[in-house]
Amino acid sequence: DTEVTQTPKHLVMGMTNKKSLKCEQHMGHRAMYWYKQKAKKPPELMFVYSYEKLSINESVPSRFSPECPNSSLLNLHLHALQPEDSALYLCASSQVLGGGQPQHFGDGTRLSIL
Amino acid sequence: DQQVKQNSPSLSVQEGRISILNCDYTNSMFDYFLWYKKYPAEGPTFLISISSIKDKNEDGRFTVFLNKSAKHLSLHIVPSQPGDSAVYFCAAPPGGSQGNLIFGKGTKLSVKP
Repeated sequence: DTEVTQTPKHLVMGMTNKKSLKCEQHMGHRAMYWYKQKAKKPPELMFVYSYEKLSINESVPSRFSPECPNSSLLNLHLHALQPEDSALYLCASSQVLGGGQPQHFGDGTRLSIL
Repeated sequence: DQQVKQNSPSLSVQEGRISILNCDYTNSMFDYFLWYKKYPAEGPTFLISISSIKDKNEDGRFTVFLNKSAKHLSLHIVPSQPGDSAVYFCAAPPGGSQGNLIFGKGTKLSVKP
């Protein structure tokens, strides 16, 4: 069982909808990440939070809005997405940022945009 | 330009034999390298890592070798088991205060009984 929990596992939404992806970890990790993975491709970084502050935004379109309400939770708010945004969205956490700390991944949310 | 490269998209091995998964990199500033395993419908699972100051790290059936002069690392699985069938990703952090990982494209390992 993964120690990083992502909900929902699957999400289908229209281009005008607003939805949120949620990620939770209780390992005391202070760095959390959002990755996007398309089929047959490696995960690509979207955002990094360190001690609940946004540390890295990899030039992600504003229709994706991350939020870190506390050290255990990470949300990704979605609005006016495009069909090309359909992908697997992975959340990960590590003890702290950097230092070769292994990241622990959730099982992802499979997002489909109609 | 890919900084972490896995040039073999797939590998098929007989159960009980050795599986060798390869990874090349271009950035000599990488401090660590990590291997992840991914099953379908699951997130990547951390397997093993190696610091750039070492040339070998072993954990049970998994051993990672690092050849810095060749900018090459490999993951050896001995003996291979059918449950090892998955996609294996090589990854490295860009370094400094950044904690994100740059992943290779992955190698799909199939271990046949």
